[in-house]
Amino acid sequence: GQNIDQPTEMTATEGAIVQINCTYQTSGFNGLFWYQQHAGEAPTFLSYNVLDGLEEKGRFSSFLSRSKGYSYLLLKELQMKDSASYLCAALDSNYQLIWGAGTKLIIKP
Amino acid sequence: DVKVTQSSRYLVKRTGEKVFLECVQDMDHENMFWYRQDPGLGLRLIYFSYDVKMKEKGDIPEGYSVSREKKERFSLILESASTNQTSMYLCASTPPGIVTGELFFGEGSRLTVL
Repeated sequence: GQNIDQPTEMTATEGAIVQINCTYQTSGFNGLFWYQQHAGEAPTFLSYNVLDGLEEKGRFSSFLSRSKGYSYLLLKELQMKDSASYLCAALDSNYQLIWGAGTKLIIKP
Repeated sequence: DVKVTQSSRYLVKRTGEKVFLECVQDMDHENMFWYRQDPGLGLRLIYFSYDVKMKEKGDIPEGYSVSREKKERFSLILESASTNQTSMYLCASTPPGIVTGELFFGEGSRLTVL
């Protein structure tokens, strides 16, 4: 079957760095997406990786290892507004998105 | 900016009622999707549409139907609402010709069925 695993909840301190991991098992693979979702709001697109390696976008970076079925989202210089859920999703061979349950990130002052 | 608008943010309905959830996007996107989001579960695809009058079943279509009469509008219909359909419903759209993973979501419709 197809499956996405990510931690349910993480806590980090303002100004610090946090890494949110995601492992996936899909029928074929056409890329890995990260979305941010603040409480009560719509998910918004953060990043897309299809090749191995690190993609950096400001304070946020996303990493992919296709051979390991693994990705992480790295958030640097954490701010209170980064408190949100982070959703990992993999695009399978039929170009359908398989979603993880999301990681709730709590930022403490 | 792409705008995806869902008609109702919060609805409370009774078991057996017919429920319409409307979604409109203003960026001429071909592809539109309906998901439901429940605590502890990933987003689950109910139905999607790649063009006007076209519809495809997603992973959990049972108890739902959809309508796409105009390109910008994609409606989700619960013919006879049940308590297990209490959920957050998210509509999304994406243009064609690109990897269809960068979705633009609406704010969501939180449905409670009593």
